[in-house]
Amino acid sequence: GAVVSQHPSRVICKSGTSVKIECRSLDFQATTMFWYRQFPKQSLMLMATSNEGSKATYEQGVEKDKFLINHASLTLSTLTVTSAHPEDSSFYICSALRANLGNEQFFGPGTRLTVL
Amino acid sequence: ELKVEQNPLFLSMQEGKNYTIYCNYSTTSDRLYWYRQDPGKSLESLFVLLSNGAVKQEGRLMASLDTKARLSTLHITAAVHDLSATYFCAVDKAAGNKLTFGGGTRVLVKP
Repeated sequence: GAVVSQHPSRVICKSGTSVKIECRSLDFQATTMFWYRQFPKQSLMLMATSNEGSKATYEQGVEKDKFLINHASLTLSTLTVTSAHPEDSSFYICSALRANLGNEQFFGPGTRLTVL
Repeated sequence: ELKVEQNPLFLSMQEGKNYTIYCNYSTTSDRLYWYRQDPGKSLESLFVLLSNGAVKQEGRLMASLDTKARLSTLHITAAVHDLSATYFCAVDKAAGNKLTFGGGTRVLVKP
């Protein structure tokens, strides 16, 4: 199989603090990972593409200084929400691209962020 | 810009009846995916459709792809309550590229 984990699964923080979310591919190496955000009753919106060893590529309208992405190894990408505000509250889902399985994306279980 | 549209957005189903969800996309694509999402959960992969005329079936769900019409359908046969969820289609332009998701179809199967 292809398993992707996220940590934490749920986080509550105060406005102005920073939160780090980890995305790990557990049984395969992933040079590319993706970060999505999903608001209630809406679809997934791609935030950025994370490439191992290089800078992330952000989608239009996503603030790169607010959503810091680090893909330091072939099995780990992190998303840091800096100076979080209530409007950043959302469900964040990562996916990892498995090259030897037809380049299919495998999704993590998601992280529910609530900013008070 | 690749656009993906699903309809309907909401589908109230009666158990035992058949229904279809449609997914249209705007430009040529290499592959089309169907996912299921339960409330509060992440995505569960249902099908990957790679070529024109592709048809895949798993249990009560069957997905098909018509690349000429840029249309995929997800057919539900004899709906049961366990199929209540939100279903998304997604398209990528080239293997390994980012996915563009449809708006989702929320399915509620009533007894």
